[in-house]
Amino acid sequence: GAVVSQHPSWVICKSGTSVKIECRSLDFQATTMFWYRQFPKQSLMLMATSNEGSKATYEQGVEKDKFLINHASLTLSTLTVTSAHPEDSSFYICSAFSSGRSGEQFFGPGTRLTVL
Amino acid sequence: AQSVTQPDIHITVSEGASLELRCNYSYGATPYLFWYVQSPGQGLQLLLKYFSGDTLVQGIKGFEAEFKRSQSSFNLRKPSVHWSDAAEYFCAVGAIGGGGNKLTFGTGTQLKVEL
Repeated sequence: GAVVSQHPSWVICKSGTSVKIECRSLDFQATTMFWYRQFPKQSLMLMATSNEGSKATYEQGVEKDKFLINHASLTLSTLTVTSAHPEDSSFYICSAFSSGRSGEQFFGPGTRLTVL
Repeated sequence: AQSVTQPDIHITVSEGASLELRCNYSYGATPYLFWYVQSPGQGLQLLLKYFSGDTLVQGIKGFEAEFKRSQSSFNLRKPSVHWSDAAEYFCAVGAIGGGGNKLTFGTGTQLKVEL
């Protein structure tokens, strides 16, 4: 099956610092990667769609300067939370999509971010 | 715009009992439909999906779901629940074709299994 990894699995940082989260498709090439945010006991909210080699498309209400997304290769996308604040604490999940996989997205295990 | 409604926030069933989790969707065309399961602090695991064809879809772990276009529903069922099935279940709808299949998730149903 298709495997998507995320690193780190959890991170604690001080307010005002930046944190980078990596999302990798390990055994397939992902033309598109998605970044979701999940608050405790809530659903996943799509933050942005990332296509390899082009700028990410952000959902309404998501600050693109706050959440920097880079999709430099077909197997790697990164989400950088800049100048993090406690309200950015959340569970961030990525997914990877390949047109050769019948329209299915494969999800990473998630990254728990805690901002102190 | 597409949307998904999961009317039941919490469901409790006894181990061995049958289970049905409800999902209703709103979408302008034939949708892609998914059911995912999430254990605490984990990512999502795909249980099953419907793209086309047979409206009764079999998934992993003994789950199945039935697509009913007339009712805009895609309910998840399992004939006999195991304690390990306790988790959060999400229904999702996506667009067919290109654009990377942007998914819209329901709010989830928390399943508790009583021994």
